[in-house]
Amino acid sequence: GQNIDQPTEMTATEGAIVQINCTYQTSGFNGLFWYQQHAGEAPTFLSYNVLDGLEEKGRFSSFLSRSKGYSYLLLKELQMKDSASYLCAVKDSNYQLIWGAGTKLIIKP
Amino acid sequence: DAEITQSPRHKITETGRQVTLACHQTWNHNNMFWYRQDLGHGLRLIHYSYGVQDTNKGEVSDGYSVSRSNTEDLPLTLESAASSQTSVYFCASSAVDSYNEQFFGPGTRLTVL
Repeated sequence: GQNIDQPTEMTATEGAIVQINCTYQTSGFNGLFWYQQHAGEAPTFLSYNVLDGLEEKGRFSSFLSRSKGYSYLLLKELQMKDSASYLCAVKDSNYQLIWGAGTKLIIKP
Repeated sequence: DAEITQSPRHKITETGRQVTLACHQTWNHNNMFWYRQDLGHGLRLIHYSYGVQDTNKGEVSDGYSVSRSNTEDLPLTLESAASSQTSVYFCASSAVDSYNEQFFGPGTRLTVL
């Protein structure tokens, strides 16, 4: 079967750095996405990785290791507005997105 | 600006009734998707379409149907609503390319009593 695993919840302090991990087992791999979802709102795109390595975009970075079936999202200089759920999704061999259940990130002052 | 809209935003219905949720996008995207989101689960794909007159079943399609008569709209119909279909429903669209970022509508919260 296909499976995406993420921690259910994480807590971090404003101004700090947090790493959200995602491991996957899917039938094929055609890219990995990270989305942010604030409570009661729609998911919004954060990053896309298809090759191994780190992609940096401002305060957010995403890393991929295809051989390990592993990705992480790194958030730096945390702000209160970063309190949200972070969704990991893998595009499988049928080009469909398989979604993790999401990691709820709580930022404390 | 291009956008994707859903209506209604909230709906309460009774078991056994037919319900249709609307999705309209002005991105001119060929690909459109319907997901449901439940606590403890990831987004689960209900149906999807890669163009006009094309529709495909997703992971959780039982009890749902879609039709695609134009590029902009993909309405989702619950043939006979069941309490298990109480959920938040998201519509999404994407362009036809390998990058394939999906843009999401604001969601419809459906309660079946």
